Amino acid sequence: AQSVTQPDIHITVSEGASLELRCNYSYGATPYLFWYVQSPGQGLQLLLKYFSGDTLVQGIKGFEAEFKRSQSSFNLRKPSVHWSDAAEYFCAVTSTSGTYKYIFGTGTRLKVLA
Amino acid sequence: DAGVTQSPTHLIKTRGQQVTLRCSPKSGHDTVSWYQQALGQGPQFIFQYYEEEERQRGNFPDRFSGHQYPNYSSELNVNALLLGDSALYLCASSLVRKRAVEIEAFFGQGTRLTVV
Repeated sequence: AQSVTQPDIHITVSEGASLELRCNYSYGATPYLFWYVQSPGQGLQLLLKYFSGDTLVQGIKGFEAEFKRSQSSFNLRKPSVHWSDAAEYFCAVTSTSGTYKYIFGTGTRLKVLA
Repeated sequence: DAGVTQSPTHLIKTRGQQVTLRCSPKSGHDTVSWYQQALGQGPQFIFQYYEEEERQRGNFPDRFSGHQYPNYSSELNVNALLLGDSALYLCASSLVRKRAVEIEAFFGQGTRLTVV
């Protein structure tokens, strides 16, 4: 079955510390991969996406993610977290052909300590 | 560019009632998808509309139905509301081209539905 796993439900980091949010997927073939961020009561904002090519992708707000095919992973990283990064982060996948429905993970809630 | 707009932002309904949620896609987009996000969960795909037809559906009962208009706007209808239908409903728009697919979806702010 197709699925996305975000093993960390909650993560707390200090402001200025580095961050890594994990994402693993189970899919028939390599899908398109996304990270979205959601602030309380808000919709989803795209942070970055991977379609093909360079496996290290840069996104907005200083985020980056690395696609590792052998591990079926697409982990999100940021070298120095800001208090405004506190939010919920969702990893998502979709097929490279035809369907375009997104499958989301259950999310990781990030708390940033001042 | 107004992006994806949804209305209303909040709604309270009673069990058994029917509700209609509305979505206007991002300018230039022709495909609308609907997602249900229960509290503490990731969004779950309900269905997708393209060229005024439902072209794919997730694992939701027939109580959930939709429509897409010629201007690409869309409605989500839910009949016989249950307490478990309480959730944030997100609309996402994207563009399907003839030769390539712009599959990046843009999401609206959502409609918070509470069923009491």
